[in-house]
Amino acid sequence: NAGVTQTPKFRVLKTGQSMTLLCAQDMNHEYMYWYRQDPGMGLRLIHYSVGEGTTAKGEVPDGYNVSRLKKQNFLLGLESAAPSQTSVYFCASSYYGETQYFGPGTRLLVL
Amino acid sequence: GQQLNQSPQSMFIQEGEDVSMNCTSSSIFNTWLWYKQDPGEGPVLLIALYKAGELTSNGRLTAQFGITRKDSFLNISASIPSDVGIYFCAGTNYGGATNKLIFGTGTLLAVQP
Repeated sequence: NAGVTQTPKFRVLKTGQSMTLLCAQDMNHEYMYWYRQDPGMGLRLIHYSVGEGTTAKGEVPDGYNVSRLKKQNFLLGLESAAPSQTSVYFCASSYYGETQYFGPGTRLLVL
Repeated sequence: GQQLNQSPQSMFIQEGEDVSMNCTSSSIFNTWLWYKQDPGEGPVLLIALYKAGELTSNGRLTAQFGITRKDSFLNISASIPSDVGIYFCAGTNYGGATNKLIFGTGTLLAVQP
């Protein structure tokens, strides 16, 4: 039981490039979330999903898109990366929103 | 967006000392959670609280769900060097439309051996 895993662990992008972050969970959780963590800002919710095929906007959704084609996977896309998107990205999952379990994070640097 | 007020922001203590931190909100929650984040890692759930007044322990950690439902407390007894990290509180209203977590600003704990 691996829990929540994230791919890649670290990435460097140039401004304007695109990329996809992958989150996978093997706990059969319904809910999945993407957060970003910046110094002094805590954890901020980007997008979330309450089940396969559903997505919804969180607190800071601009510049990101998500997809939940399979229950166990939640993808976060950056279509045109900007330096302001330099951050640490965390994925989390939960059965029905009560307690969330986090992945190890993806560190993204946009130059 | 809304954030919970967590205090203190940081603590520098000697090994063996007890630690207390708290979290307050302007709105009520039906669930309080406490997480610990080690450097370079994701937050790990320590304790979950589901009922006002509830007191729950996990080893040397004890957390309480405030009676007003607007606050929560975490105590660590007899601290050890591996307790170092950032502690986050989080509140949610489980069973609501989105079940989103609202996070505190974090308490940085440093333990001097």
